[in-house]
Amino acid sequence: GAVVSQHPSRVICKSGTSVKIECRSLDFQATTMFWYRQFPKQSLMLMATSNEGSKATYEQGVEKDKFLINHASLTLSTLTVTSAHPEDSSFYICSANERRASSYNEQFFGPGTRLTVL
Amino acid sequence: AQSVTQLDSQVPVFEEAPVELRCNYSSSVSVYLFWYVQYPNQGLQLLLKYLSGSTLVKGINGFEAEFNKSQTSFHLRKPSVHISDTAEYFCAVRLPSSSNTGKLIFGQGTTLQVKP
Repeated sequence: GAVVSQHPSRVICKSGTSVKIECRSLDFQATTMFWYRQFPKQSLMLMATSNEGSKATYEQGVEKDKFLINHASLTLSTLTVTSAHPEDSSFYICSANERRASSYNEQFFGPGTRLTVL
Repeated sequence: AQSVTQLDSQVPVFEEAPVELRCNYSSSVSVYLFWYVQYPNQGLQLLLKYLSGSTLVKGINGFEAEFNKSQTSFHLRKPSVHISDTAEYFCAVRLPSSSNTGKLIFGQGTTLQVKP
């Protein structure tokens, strides 16, 4: 089956530093990738939608300059949390839509990245 | 706009008992419907989905769900739960249009707690 990986799985950083999280589709090409944020005991909040070779579309209330998304290829998207602060600590999950000819594209989720900002 | 409501935040149940996790949605157009499971510190795994056709959908791990258009519901059921079913369950919808990016709209989640 289709697999989406995320790296790193856990990261601890100091306040003010930047952190990059990678999301890769391992055995399929992804037309679209999504980045979610999940606080403890809460649902997933969509942060942005990224398409290969174009700018990401951010959801309302998400700071574009703080959460930089790059979708350089059909198998890789990165999320960079710039100048991280403790309130950015969260579980970040990516997902990817498999590229298919049909109107329905299966979406697969990565295992998530736990970010802790000290 | 679409929205999803999961009516129970927590559902405690004894092992081998049946369970139903409720999900209602709101949409002025047809949608695809999904149930996902999330184990602690992990991503989401698809349990089952409804795209069209038969309203009773069977998924993995013995789960099934029934799409009820008149009641705009997509409740998840399992006739006999196991300890290993303890997890967070999310109901989600998305638009079926091919021009849509496939953005999922999630409910708030239901914690299923299976007790021995």
